[in-house]
Amino acid sequence: EDQVTQSPEALRLQEGESSSLNCSYTVSGLRGLFWYRQDPGKGPEFLFTLYSAGEEKEKERLKATLTKKESFLHITAPKPEDSATYLCAVKSGTASKLTFGTGTRLQVTL
Amino acid sequence: DTEVTQTPKHLVMGMTNKKSLKCEQHMGHRAMYWYKQKAKKPPELMFVYSYEKLSINESVPSRFSPECPNSSLLNLHLHALQPEDSALYLCASSQSGLMGGTSTDTQYFGPGTRLTVL
Repeated sequence: EDQVTQSPEALRLQEGESSSLNCSYTVSGLRGLFWYRQDPGKGPEFLFTLYSAGEEKEKERLKATLTKKESFLHITAPKPEDSATYLCAVKSGTASKLTFGTGTRLQVTL
Repeated sequence: DTEVTQTPKHLVMGMTNKKSLKCEQHMGHRAMYWYKQKAKKPPELMFVYSYEKLSINESVPSRFSPECPNSSLLNLHLHALQPEDSALYLCASSQSGLMGGTSTDTQYFGPGTRLTVL
């Protein structure tokens, strides 16, 4: 059974204080790892898809990386508008659906 | 454009009511999904349609009835719901239809419908 663990559960940063969110996974044949951002009461917003170890993708202050066991979402010089819950999900070759982690709630303060 | 729209944004219904949630995408995506999300939990898959046919039903109670009238529209008909069904209902779509029950395509989510059952 596919498993995804995200850490930390919650993270509070000051504006400009860079950090990383972790997504550890156990799957049988990774087919894709997905990062989403979700604001309260809204649908998840797609950020990145990673398919193979060593792959990296960037968007503004966010950079996602992937190894054979985990993915990191690096946030450089965050701003208050980066406050949200960040969800990680995986798709394996044996599963018919995404397996989500429980998310990291990020709060960025002035 | 990667937009999935959902209506209504909010819905309050009694346990004897019948209502429907609607989802629409114009990206030419061939797979569409319904998810349920409770507070501080990740989304839970309910149904998947691939090429307008129901492909996956995650053992959802029959009081939830999905329908896919065409490749751009997805409905979720609600009847005799319970208060514990109150949640955020999310629609998503992905480019390819499911291949052997799996798809590696990115799923794009709509804004959701906040459902409250009294």
